[in-house]
Amino acid sequence: EPEVTQTPSHQVTQMGQEVILRCVPISNHLYFYWYRQILGQKVEFLVSFYNNEISEKSEIFDDQFSVERPDGSNFTLKIRSTKLEDSAMYFCASNPGQGEAGELFFGEGSRLTVL
Amino acid sequence: RKEVEQDPGPFNVPEGATVAFNCTYSNSASQSFFWYRQDCRKEPKLLMSVYSSGNEDGRFTAQLNRASQYISLLIRDSKLSDSATYLCVVYGQNFVFGPGTRLSVLP
Repeated sequence: EPEVTQTPSHQVTQMGQEVILRCVPISNHLYFYWYRQILGQKVEFLVSFYNNEISEKSEIFDDQFSVERPDGSNFTLKIRSTKLEDSAMYFCASNPGQGEAGELFFGEGSRLTVL
Repeated sequence: RKEVEQDPGPFNVPEGATVAFNCTYSNSASQSFFWYRQDCRKEPKLLMSVYSSGNEDGRFTAQLNRASQYISLLIRDSKLSDSATYLCVVYGQNFVFGPGTRLSVLP
């Protein structure tokens, strides 16, 4: 069964460093998403990506964040100048995007710990 | 008002009990509705979509009331393996997640 894969599963970084979280969505899906979940809190929308550009982004997704799809398969989230409060689980998800909204398929997540 | 709200929980119920989860949403233009399940420190996984006519999948029944902007999930004959956090998800322009309600099914 096709699945969304994410790397790394866990990254520890020092405050102020840049991190890149990688995702390989399901190959024939059209919409890609990044969500964040701080420990014990709700799943929060960051950004959606369609047709090689951002389609929606939340207030959380400020200039510190960027996304790209460099090679047609990987979908990356870059976090610049990390802060302690960026520590969270980051989930990538993809969606077929045909017709009405269908299932969001999530990767297993990348846990980011900022020290 | 928050976009998607759920019962705060947690719910602690004995095996075999029936448990109901409630969810309300603020955006009347929302188009699609879902219940996801999230196990501790795992990714959310789709439990079931919610249709206007209501739908059932084994022990699980979902209902939607568009006029009241209300969604429900009923679990009958709960099992230990049903212990998880149940997330109400509403799609308008994006998939918006509720805060979740944690369920513990006790032996």
